[in-house]
Amino acid sequence: GEDVEQSLFLSVREGDSSVINCTYTDSSSTYLYWYKQEPGAGLQLLTYIFSNMDMKQDQRLTVLLNKKDKHLSLRIADTQTGDSAIYFCAEIRANDYKLSFGAGTTVTVRA
Amino acid sequence: DADVTQTPRNRITKTGKRIMLECSQTKGHDRMYWYRQDPGLGLRLIYYSFDVKDINKGEISDGYSVSRQAQAKFSLSLESAIPNQTALYFCATSDGQSSDRATGELFFGEGSRLTVL
Repeated sequence: GEDVEQSLFLSVREGDSSVINCTYTDSSSTYLYWYKQEPGAGLQLLTYIFSNMDMKQDQRLTVLLNKKDKHLSLRIADTQTGDSAIYFCAEIRANDYKLSFGAGTTVTVRA
Repeated sequence: DADVTQTPRNRITKTGKRIMLECSQTKGHDRMYWYRQDPGLGLRLIYYSFDVKDINKGEISDGYSVSRQAQAKFSLSLESAIPNQTALYFCATSDGQSSDRATGELFFGEGSRLTVL
């Protein structure tokens, strides 16, 4: 996961917005992803964005993509205790269609 | 029942022992993957297989081998386990068809926690 970087921890108060940031290095990446890992479970796809988009909104989730800076962010509005998890940023490399993951951001929601 | 099943879920073993982690899937996907997860390092790809006759090394294949026994089964072996192979191992699948290739969605098992003493 060295090509994709994200901060390791985020603590947020319940009801506030969470913003998780990620930088990637492959400018030819066609899709970028956010996966969520709940305690004791595998990863599940949360949302994704195609590289020709700069924003995607899905209910409480907003994904922003800045291709010039190779920066991806995930905003979770009205964060709930069930949002406590590890969030992984990932990119798909155009040459082999394999996913490259970041180290994961552990989000802790406090009351 | 889970679509991607890993066994065992937990295993403690000693240095030098041979270990096999098994993965089976009911999703009918052609592509299967083995990842390891380490704190602060995220997921790193060990091996992947795009169909039964296809096996490819990932970024950290040294010390590991795999076998794709059938479309639904992909096993990971550690021939002689060492302590730095202590990690959480994930099997994943994806559909080789264009729709899922475009979305890049992987479907993960629940993980196998391996401790090598």
